[in-house]
Amino acid sequence: ETGVTQSPTHLIKTRGQQVTLRCSSQSGHNTVSWYQQALGQGPQFIFQYYREEENGRGNFPPRFSGLQFPNYSSELNVNALELDDSALYLCASSSLRGASYNEQFFGPGTRLTVL
Amino acid sequence: DAKTTQPNSMESNEEEPVHLPCNHSTISGTDYIHWYRQLPSQGPEYVIHGLTSNVNNRMASLAIAEDRKSSTLILHRTTLRDAAVYYCILSIFTNAGKSTFGDGTTLTVKP
Repeated sequence: ETGVTQSPTHLIKTRGQQVTLRCSSQSGHNTVSWYQQALGQGPQFIFQYYREEENGRGNFPPRFSGLQFPNYSSELNVNALELDDSALYLCASSSLRGASYNEQFFGPGTRLTVL
Repeated sequence: DAKTTQPNSMESNEEEPVHLPCNHSTISGTDYIHWYRQLPSQGPEYVIHGLTSNVNNRMASLAIAEDRKSSTLILHRTTLRDAAVYYCILSIFTNAGKSTFGDGTTLTVKP
């Protein structure tokens, strides 16, 4: 059973550019959540996908968007990058069966630096 | 999400227990209490969760106050590998999948 993987590990972009981050969920998981973690702070929830549909969103602007694919892998896209977008981006996978989720498994994150 | 309050930092001695407190006075009746930890340079990992009753697993114990306005994560015998940031999170879901984590408690383990 493989864990959650994310790519790339590190990324440097300039303000105004667009970025795509990728996540492969743990085998058998149908739900993925994305988080932003600024330095010294806890993770902030961006959005969650379940069966390729957005299933909840935190307080992030529309320039943060996502996709979940049939194999349950996922992408996070951020347009018009701002300096404050510099952070560690984490994805976490879990399973939703009926009304019950199992525990989340986090990937190691992608460190994004915006210059 | 209802807010939680945790101390910024705590210390423990290796091989001794440590009790990490969390206050959540505005908890609702449907909120689960979740604990995650984040080791240096890693993503968070699940530790334990509960609703009303105390819970035990191989990693830790969770003691929940009778009024549910506070809880305590108990690590029974800390090792150097337990040095991490510990997050207490409330969620109506059985995992913390749509919750924003607070700033947590940084646990330092002294040899």
